[in-house]
Amino acid sequence: DTEVTQTPKHLVMGMTNKKSLKCEQHMGHRAMYWYKQKAKKPPELMFVYSYEKLSINESVPSRFSPECPNSSLLNLHLHALQPEDSALYLCASAGTTNTDTQYFGPGTRLTVL
Amino acid sequence: GQQLNQSPQSMFIQEGEDVSMNCTSSSIFNTWLWYKQEPGEGPVLLIALYKAGELTSNGRLTAQFGITRKDSFLNISASIPSDVGIYFCAGVYNFNKFYFGSGTKLNVKP
Repeated sequence: DTEVTQTPKHLVMGMTNKKSLKCEQHMGHRAMYWYKQKAKKPPELMFVYSYEKLSINESVPSRFSPECPNSSLLNLHLHALQPEDSALYLCASAGTTNTDTQYFGPGTRLTVL
Repeated sequence: GQQLNQSPQSMFIQEGEDVSMNCTSSSIFNTWLWYKQEPGEGPVLLIALYKAGELTSNGRLTAQFGITRKDSFLNISASIPSDVGIYFCAGVYNFNKFYFGSGTKLNVKP
């Protein structure tokens, strides 16, 4: 099973709202990622968790707050977002061996009004 | 960060034609991955390459890991309308960082 699941599929929020995106994988992967993707562009890395610890933060604004409660789950907490934060948010997971294959979830389409 | 140059940027082809796209970099990678993404969906892994010179097929898709470890290509034979989408390459040095090409948008005319 190479499935990464994400909820919700779509999210519309106002600039004062607080919401969370959720991601889950059961492949035993110890690296999990959040990416942001704008239309017709490649995914842009936001955060990497390795063994449940934040290992990379690509200078992401603090209105995005990641959390890794356990090795299978990854959350992205959203607060006081801007309209320009509207995008497809992708979660991915990968193993930590030489066969570094990364699997993506279906994404959450976020619209900030 | 690492730059991956992916070409062509887009292709308009007739059903049944073969397609070729490639990625090049100035840096060496340990792994090359090829993904396909359809609108509103996440990228789906098509082929993973782990060794320089490796040639791997997945149905009508064939990909190769360049001998210099700085490039990779993807070929699609006998294209069909459901091949439409954006194809991304990704180069990997270690599990922390996956570098993506800018994508090749494929359009197939029935």
